[in-house]
Amino acid sequence: QVTLKESGPALVKPTQTLTLTCTFSGFSLSTNGMRVSWIRQPPGKALEWLARIDWDDDKFYSTSLKTRLTISKDTSKNQVVLTMTNMDPADTATFYCARTAAGTRFDYWGQGTLVTVSS
Amino acid sequence: QSALTQPASVSGSPGQSITISCTGTSSDVGGYNYVSWYQQHPGKAPKLMIYDVSNRPSGVSNRFSGSKSGNTASLTISGLQAEDEADYYCSSYTSSSTRYVFGTGTKVSVL
Repeated sequence: QVTLKESGPALVKPTQTLTLTCTFSGFSLSTNGMRVSWIRQPPGKALEWLARIDWDDDKFYSTSLKTRLTISKDTSKNQVVLTMTNMDPADTATFYCARTAAGTRFDYWGQGTLVTVSS
Repeated sequence: QSALTQPASVSGSPGQSITISCTGTSSDVGGYNYVSWYQQHPGKAPKLMIYDVSNRPSGVSNRFSGSKSGNTASLTISGLQAEDEADYYCSSYTSSSTRYVFGTGTKVSVL
């Protein structure tokens, strides 16, 4: 059974760095072909893909956010970490991690974690 | 990378069929058979309903079907049920360095 769960702060201040952790089970990121993405959704708005990390440590980022994002993995802990620098109130969103099957679709999602950016 | 274009809302009566469109470009929808569709109920995480244009994951009702023509993909829900009332998002793999793009989202209402 594949599960993913996001964790991190619910509230961050403007200009701070956000660090989110995705802890998953039911698959291993050391297995050929496995990939995990981060996706966010501002309240009442659409989904936006942020970043992806692959089993071979390849990393891909949204062009518009590339300078602010870093994705990494700890295979031994079954975790993927996303950091986003220089947070702004416009970054307030629910952040999801999702397994990215065959590199083409998001087949399992975490429950999401709401991050509010406010002073 | 611009979001894929979906109608803001679509509605239908129970038992009817509805279709949601998802329009992109030759760099995304038109260039790859990697369109997927997600159902999202309020306060819940998205759920994969269709992948690679027309494939259904195990456990998804066969009332959901997908297709594509040129730069436009479509999701059809037949035999509309109250539980189908939700937001629906399309997504496509893209040739840009932003690997994936989502649609603007469609709210489906069951009258």
